Amino acid sequence: EPEVTQTPSHQVTQMGQEVILRCVPISNHLYFYWYRQILGQKVEFLVSFYNNEISEKSEIFDDQFSVERPDGSNFTLKIRSTKLEDSAMYFCASSYSFYSGNTIYFGEGSWLTVV
Amino acid sequence: GNSVTQMEGPVTLSEEAFLTINCTYTATGYPSLFWYVQYPGEGLQLLLKATKADDKGSNKGFEATYRKETTSFHLEKGSVQVSDSAVYFCALSNNNDMRFGAGTRLTVKP
Repeated sequence: EPEVTQTPSHQVTQMGQEVILRCVPISNHLYFYWYRQILGQKVEFLVSFYNNEISEKSEIFDDQFSVERPDGSNFTLKIRSTKLEDSAMYFCASSYSFYSGNTIYFGEGSWLTVV
Repeated sequence: GNSVTQMEGPVTLSEEAFLTINCTYTATGYPSLFWYVQYPGEGLQLLLKATKADDKGSNKGFEATYRKETTSFHLEKGSVQVSDSAVYFCALSNNNDMRFGAGTRLTVKP
């Protein structure tokens, strides 16, 4: 079964450093997302991406965050200058369409620890 | 706006017990409803979904029925197993917006 893959599975970084989280969405999917889950808290939407541009973003997705689809298969989330409160599990997801009944498929997550 | 409220955990059950995790939603129009599961150390996986009123989603012995009159999508399983121990998230998709509940941690003891 096709799946969304994410790397790295776990990264530890120092505060202020830049981090890039990578994702390979399902190959025929057109919509891509990043969500995050701070330990023990709910899953929060960060951003959605379609046709090489951001479709929607939440208030969490401020200027220190950026997303990019550098080639036909990867979808990246960059955090320019990490803060302690960026420590979370980051989930990449993809879907074929924005139709509300369409399933969004999630990767296994990248656990980011900022120290 | 769109929102999901699910019962707070944690929930601890013995093996073969009956499980219900309540989920209610607020939305305009006709949202689709989902249950996702997160096993320890893993990512989110779709468990089941329902896209219109009165639909029943089912998978791995779990069921949930989309009740528009009560705006609910409660998750049930007749006989839980130790391997069902996980965090369960109710979610709603509506107008290009997906919202998750806070998650309910289920622990099943042998």
